Amino acid sequence: AQSVTQLDSQVPVFEEAPVELRCNYSSSVSVYLFWYVQYPNQGLQLLLKYLSGSTLVKGINGFEAEFNKSQTSFHLRKPSVHISDTAEYFCAVSDTGSNYKLTFGKGTLLTVNP
Amino acid sequence: AAGVIQSPRHLIKEKRETATLKCYPIPRHDTVYWYQQGPGQDPQFLISFYEKMQSDKGSIPDRFSAQQFSDYHSELNMSSLELGDSALYFCASSTGQGAYGYTFGSGTRLTVV
Repeated sequence: AQSVTQLDSQVPVFEEAPVELRCNYSSSVSVYLFWYVQYPNQGLQLLLKYLSGSTLVKGINGFEAEFNKSQTSFHLRKPSVHISDTAEYFCAVSDTGSNYKLTFGKGTLLTVNP
Repeated sequence: AAGVIQSPRHLIKEKRETATLKCYPIPRHDTVYWYQQGPGQDPQFLISFYEKMQSDKGSIPDRFSAQQFSDYHSELNMSSLELGDSALYFCASSTGQGAYGYTFGSGTRLTVV
């Protein structure tokens, strides 16, 4: 069975500061990894995904994530955040053993302060 | 670009009533997933369909049923509603049975009173 752990439930930062949202996963087979963002009262929007190939993945809105197989991690980073990045961020994993259904972490609330 | 359409956006029902949620996937997407997100919770997988057949089942109560129709739209039927069913219900669609990720709809917010 697969699982996802998001190590921080809340991350407050100041505008223009860098941020890293941490995600660790466990799975017995090859995985696909995703980060989704959810703005208040909105749906889930895909930020980026890792399927194979380069371990550094670039997504929308200036976000990127690095897949680290040895550490089973997929941390999300942005070098300079904006107020508009305030949202809930979910890391998710799927694999061939689970019919590709997504298992989500508990989410990290990123709050960007002026 | 066309997105996943869910209707209605909001729904208020009383306990023990029935609700039907609809999902219209992106054109040419053959796989539909349903997720439930309780207040302050992460989304939980309910059920999925591939080519109109159920492909996987998660923590879906027996009071819920779903199907995918010939035009690939899907409906989630919920009976004998309970207060605990109040949640945001997401539908997502994909090709290739989800191997490359899904596109989520904006969700239906169900409130049971």
